[in-house]
Amino acid sequence: AIQMTQSPSSLSASVGDRVTITCRASQGIRNELGWYQQKPGSVPKLLIYGASNLQSGVSSRFSGSGSGTDFTLTISCLQPEDFATYYCLQDFDYPRTFGPGTKVEIK
Amino acid sequence: EVQLVESGGGLVQPGGSLRLSCAVSGFTFSNYWMIWVRQAPGKGLEWVANIKKDGSQKYYVDSVEGRFTISRDNAKNSLYLQMNSLRVEDTAIYYCVRDPGGYVSGIYYDAFDIWGPGTMVTVSS
Repeated sequence: AIQMTQSPSSLSASVGDRVTITCRASQGIRNELGWYQQKPGSVPKLLIYGASNLQSGVSSRFSGSGSGTDFTLTISCLQPEDFATYYCLQDFDYPRTFGPGTKVEIK
Repeated sequence: EVQLVESGGGLVQPGGSLRLSCAVSGFTFSNYWMIWVRQAPGKGLEWVANIKKDGSQKYYVDSVEGRFTISRDNAKNSLYLQMNSLRVEDTAIYYCVRDPGGYVSGIYYDAFDIWGPGTMVTVSS
């Protein structure tokens, strides 16, 4: 199975900061990667699919990039509602695999 | 309103069985791939299995292959997960998820857009 890693595992940031989360695949996955946000006590929410395509209704503060093995999720101007855990998910091959998550906390 | 509602979770002993159900409403169920995702307490997300629109293709994570079976009944707008030979490590919230796919220039990407609230499965003696 394709292994997904994320860095950092957690970070502290302030409202208004620009935040970047990295996801790395153990082999090339083209651009077949999605990003999900999960707040405590809530179900995950789709942010981005195909590495860089913003899901309908998601704030343009979120953007994704990358191809091959290295991907990033960027939050351009962190808002209070963005404090959550973020997961990447590869859909290049079966079984699909999530990254371990990156927790974004308030500084 | 689009809804997914899981049921069937509970406490079961190791080696036991459970059948999870997911009742859907508000959309044409037969037009979508469907997925089960789980999350152990305090842990990350794990993709478990998916099933094609007509049920003709199914895929599983290695750890459940041969023990779990995903199925669907499009006439009843329902998704199922039969779980046999349950292990302590199967303890998790199980989410039913819809995948309409994200299409870009004719290429299909997974896009899990609607999630049910989940049902808790606890495997313990």
